[in-house]
Amino acid sequence: RKEVEQDPGPFNVPEGATVAFNCTYSNSASQSFFWYRQDCRKEPKLLMSVYSSGNEDGRFTAQLNRASQYISLLIRDSKLSDSATYLCVVNMFRGSQGNLIFGKGTKLSVKP
Amino acid sequence: DAGITQSPRHKVTETGTPVTLRCHQTENHRYMYWYRQDPGHGLRLIHYSYGVKDTDKGEVSDGYSVSRSKTEDFLLTLESATSSQTSVYFCAISDPEGAQSPLHFGNGTRLTVT
Repeated sequence: RKEVEQDPGPFNVPEGATVAFNCTYSNSASQSFFWYRQDCRKEPKLLMSVYSSGNEDGRFTAQLNRASQYISLLIRDSKLSDSATYLCVVNMFRGSQGNLIFGKGTKLSVKP
Repeated sequence: DAGITQSPRHKVTETGTPVTLRCHQTENHRYMYWYRQDPGHGLRLIHYSYGVKDTDKGEVSDGYSVSRSKTEDFLLTLESATSSQTSVYFCAISDPEGAQSPLHFGNGTRLTVT
């Protein structure tokens, strides 16, 4: 199993749609999980951290399933401005400093 | 946005020449990182630093060296650039919790090696 794996997409959805992304990870000892958003030719920006109890930030909901080793991101009422690549990030705990491993990203395109 | 500045923003260089990329932060964060991003590979860690003069290798460190003489500056050097090092390079920082904390990225350096 790859360390962090995402469906590359693209996900093409109409405005107002609900879309969900999943991300699987290989290390059951991982403790930290994040979703980043990256616009074309820009730097990744933190969208939200993912907590064990799940967390919500406006239209965005993140969940963690430790038993199945995946995290998810749900976007409700999609906006054109949500079009971007969404990166899943997992701390793999290599050595004493830890190491954040990035998935290759899922591309979302929201159409009018 | 976190105070991270990368320089230069764009650079074209020839194979075999040395290149140094600079990352400067104003957040006084302990941890600094250099990543490269290539199509089909996502972001990959080159080197990171956990304090002044404390650095360690990442996943793709061959051909790269780093230095951190001050908290605010983290330099990435390509001793002899190769075409395979054509990429977008991102610097990132994280707060004193380091391994548990999210990263905040600079806006990247686009390097082309001809």
